[in-house]
Amino acid sequence: DAGVIQSPRHEVTEMGQEVTLRCKPISGHDYLFWYRQTMMRGLELLIYFNNNVPIDDSGMPEDRFSAKMPNASFSTLKIQPSEPRDSAVYFCASSFDEKLFFGSGTQLSVL
Amino acid sequence: DQQVKQNSPSLSVQEGRISILNCDYTNSMFDYFLWYKKYPAEGPTFLISISSIKDKNEDGRFTVFLNKSAKHLSLHIVPSQPGDSAVYFCAASGNTGKLIFGQGTTLQVKP
Repeated sequence: DAGVIQSPRHEVTEMGQEVTLRCKPISGHDYLFWYRQTMMRGLELLIYFNNNVPIDDSGMPEDRFSAKMPNASFSTLKIQPSEPRDSAVYFCASSFDEKLFFGSGTQLSVL
Repeated sequence: DQQVKQNSPSLSVQEGRISILNCDYTNSMFDYFLWYKKYPAEGPTFLISISSIKDKNEDGRFTVFLNKSAKHLSLHIVPSQPGDSAVYFCAASGNTGKLIFGQGTTLQVKP
């Protein structure tokens, strides 16, 4: 298996634009997580899914953020409209037990 | 509210010596603890874990200690090697399925 695949690796956009981050989890994993890494808060959990169903989105910072998992092999995290303070590395991870497997992340820069 | 805290942002040790990374948690419902290692431009990777029924788990040069009464865990690396230089994240989970991470500690091992 190729592991958790995220795209794009880097995204540079202007304030106000819509940003969509994509994730393909490891086949057979029934949990999918979206994290954001910042210097102050480390790895911050945004939302997680179990069997494609959102379980806890309490970490999503604002209504500007939304996440979907239409099937077991694909998830998106959307920011609309984006703001400079959204600049961070966004990680997707999947698991079937407590051990998470992470993708390489998407470095988002909002100018 | 940070439920998992790593109060030392950075640590520098000499090659061959012991590295001790610390982590504190506040939620007494956490029953499984993990350490992840992260290199630049990569996602975090699982390193070692411990269940709350144990107070020590060892894997080669890596040992994790858990003190439930103090809500504290630590990662010992002996002997430290330059390749161990990375960011180390402590994480904890309860019965909800979600993994809460600390802010991370950057370890530098000097040759």
